[in-house]
Amino acid sequence: NAGVTQTPKFQVLKTGQSMTLQCAQDMNHNSMYWYRQDPGMGLRLIYYSASEGTTDKGEVPNGYNVSRLNKREFSLRLESAAPSQTSVYFCASSESPRDTQYFGPGTRLTVL
Amino acid sequence: AQSVTQLDSQVPVFEEAPVELRCNYSSSVSVYLFWYVQYPNQGLQLLLKYLSGSTLVKGINGFEAEFNKSQTSFHLRKPSVHISDTAEYFCAVSSMDSSYKLIFGSGTRLLVRP
Repeated sequence: NAGVTQTPKFQVLKTGQSMTLQCAQDMNHNSMYWYRQDPGMGLRLIYYSASEGTTDKGEVPNGYNVSRLNKREFSLRLESAAPSQTSVYFCASSESPRDTQYFGPGTRLTVL
Repeated sequence: AQSVTQLDSQVPVFEEAPVELRCNYSSSVSVYLFWYVQYPNQGLQLLLKYLSGSTLVKGINGFEAEFNKSQTSFHLRKPSVHISDTAEYFCAVSSMDSSYKLIFGSGTRLLVRP
């Protein structure tokens, strides 16, 4: 039982490049989330998926897109990376929006 | 809309001393409250949560927190800290108003010294 897994662990991009961050959970959770963590700002919600087939914007969605591929997987795409997107990205999942969220280990992204 | 304030960005403390990490929130409706811990280079792990009922909540690793509705606070305490408690601690709030999305505070770094 791996919980929430994220790939890759580290990534360096040049400005304008694109990439997709992958997230998978094996807890049969309905809800999944993407956050970014920046120094002194805590975690901020980028996008979330309350249930399979639905996605909604969070607090900081600009520059990102998401896909809820199936119940297990929720990916985050940067179409044209910018230095302001340098951050640590966390995926999380929960049984429902009301329930405890379980976090993955994070992806450290640097955009040069 | 909800918000969370963690007034202390860093709290240094000696090993075996007590510690309190402060958290205040603002909300016009009933809230759920959480404390998460993040060890270096890891994801967040739930310490404890308040949903309803007793205002004193006990969590893992000897931590506890008390919900105070009149002061809109949810401070985290531990009577005797260990070196291994060195980590960043995040307070978070959710409510029906925000579709139960978690709103995080900016975090408090607990630094336990020998």
